[in-house]
Amino acid sequence: EAQVTQNPRYLITVTGKKLTVTCSQNMNHEYMSWYRQDPGLGLRQIYYSMNVEVTDKGDVPEGYKVSRKEKRNFPLILESPSPNQTSLYFCASRIDRAYNYGYTFGSGTRLTVV
Amino acid sequence: EDKVVQSPLSLVVHEGDTVTLNCSYEVTNFRSLLWYKQEKKAPTFLFMLTSSGIEKKSGRLSSILDKKELFSILNITATQTGDSAIYLCAVLNSGYALNFGKGTSLLVTP
Repeated sequence: EAQVTQNPRYLITVTGKKLTVTCSQNMNHEYMSWYRQDPGLGLRQIYYSMNVEVTDKGDVPEGYKVSRKEKRNFPLILESPSPNQTSLYFCASRIDRAYNYGYTFGSGTRLTVV
Repeated sequence: EDKVVQSPLSLVVHEGDTVTLNCSYEVTNFRSLLWYKQEKKAPTFLFMLTSSGIEKKSGRLSSILDKKELFSILNITATQTGDSAIYLCAVLNSGYALNFGKGTSLLVTP
């Protein structure tokens, strides 16, 4: 089944403890992206990647890192999480070649930083 | 700066009603507009619109794009309680950014 898989689904952690949220897609998509969703603010892009070893900042990149060493994986790294990073996170992917395809989203990761 | 504005922010209707959700945008180098439905989990894709005036339809849902006036509408006829969700509009530009509106929260009551 074609899908984007995120792990974990839920995570509660303490301020300053490094964490990684994994994202993997099995559709051979070039383009992958991370979003966070907050009440009243909608979905905001954190980072995106156009292909292996090509990443760039989105609208709200502060406090996050990403890597794209393989086409299928795009982990989101929080080196020193803070409470303002408590949010619902989505990974998404799409084929890069054309503009006629929608994005496929992962199921989301609800992160709480205390 | 690219902007996507949805209205209304929230809507409560009775089962059987017809609703129209609005999305206006200001985007440099517009490529396409997408509608998503979000229930308790991830957004699920509804429509992608690239050409003006061509209605896309799926069951009771339909959508159309006006590239001259820079807006799109999503219509839902004969609403059901299962249509209760947040409906997200997003615009894709010639870069790689998908800019989302804040969404319209729809509640359909029995």
